[in-house]
Amino acid sequence: GAGVSQSPSNKVTEKGKDVELRCDPISGHTALYWYRQRLGQGLEFLIYFQGNSAPDKSGLPSDRFSAERTGESVSTLTIQRTQQEDSAVYLCASSKRADGGYTFGSGTRLTVV
Amino acid sequence: KQEVTQIPAALSVPEGENLVLNCSFTDSAIYNLQWFRQDPGKGLTSLLLIQSSQREQTSGRLNASLDKSSGRSTLYIAASQPGDSATYLCAVRPLGNLIFGKGTKLSVKP
Repeated sequence: GAGVSQSPSNKVTEKGKDVELRCDPISGHTALYWYRQRLGQGLEFLIYFQGNSAPDKSGLPSDRFSAERTGESVSTLTIQRTQQEDSAVYLCASSKRADGGYTFGSGTRLTVV
Repeated sequence: KQEVTQIPAALSVPEGENLVLNCSFTDSAIYNLQWFRQDPGKGLTSLLLIQSSQREQTSGRLNASLDKSSGRSTLYIAASQPGDSATYLCAVRPLGNLIFGKGTKLSVKP
């Protein structure tokens, strides 16, 4: 597509439920990134996929967080047993190559009640 | 460990002023540096991308410079307008993920 597409745009969930967030990168972009931004805070790196290489999971805050990506297509970020501190905007970005610029999606605003 | 610092954290100027936002980073081993704009409640919009071999990039009223050896970049905004009000983020790219500064919140008063 023309840009990075994220869905849903907003998600309200009850504490303890699992949620799945989706990111559809720009076609041909081999690199895909997930970031989290809590209210009033900076961007926090979560996970990075580059082609068929093993993902860099160093930013995932706990084992409740996981992400998958098949090839160079859609990625899903799953948060299990959600907690209130998981409330944030989850941003996805893709990049064509290692020295390319990033294009961000509009994000998914997650609210855990 | 790469760290990105943006100064000032907030800036308020009257419409029409030229202004400079500063970004510094601790490790010069980067592929590129990118400036973004973030409006409240929105995602990030890319403004300018400077490759490590470049010194500056321009787009309209925006000009970004990069001095890799000193670990500094500046974003120059000419003839500021109220529509420029947003948070401006600087990010550097070593191998792997982008590392962001905390941003400069700009307010341009009519």
